[in-house]
Amino acid sequence: DAGVTQSPTHLIKTRGQQVTLRCSPKSGHDTVSWYQQALGQGPQFIFQYYEEEERQRGNFPDRFSGHQFPNYSSELNVNALLLGDSALYLCASSRDRNYEQYFGPGTRLTVT
Amino acid sequence: AQTVTQSQPEMSVQEAETVTLSCTYDTSESNYYLFWYKQPPSRQMILVIRQEAYKQQNATENRFSVNFQKAAKSFSLKISDSQLGDTAMYFCAFMNPLGRLYFGRGTQLTVWP
Repeated sequence: DAGVTQSPTHLIKTRGQQVTLRCSPKSGHDTVSWYQQALGQGPQFIFQYYEEEERQRGNFPDRFSGHQFPNYSSELNVNALLLGDSALYLCASSRDRNYEQYFGPGTRLTVT
Repeated sequence: AQTVTQSQPEMSVQEAETVTLSCTYDTSESNYYLFWYKQPPSRQMILVIRQEAYKQQNATENRFSVNFQKAAKSFSLKISDSQLGDTAMYFCAFMNPLGRLYFGRGTQLTVWP
């Protein structure tokens, strides 16, 4: 049984560029949440997707957007990258909202 | 707003000993979940234990147990018989009824031989 997978593992982008990160949830899970973890910090909630809709959103600008596909996989898009967007981006999946979330290995994004 | 506070940035314990990591939280919700996650150097976030707020009984998972004090909004993690593989960053997390996780800043635990 595959767990949560994310791609790519590492990514280097230049300021102003756009990036897309991908996540496949654990089998049987239908809810995907995205988190940003800056160095030395705890993860911060970006948004959550359920039934292809953004169900709730954290305090992140509109440059951060997402999508969920019919197979429950998800993408996180970040436009107009800033140096401060450099972080580990974690995807977590769960069986609806009131169950524990299982995390993927993360995508390390570096903006130069 | 929900906040989670971990007041111990770093802790260390000798192998086979017991250690307790502290966590407090602030919320006006009555129904919620609490979690401890472990993040080793590989950066993979691993679920250690969970506690439902409506349950008075403290959760236990093998060597890991919690002390949940709802009135005090306290949720500490006890690790018994510590092992070298327990070395990691430990995060306390609060989940609201909508399924959003709020994390503390973490406690770096080092287990030494």
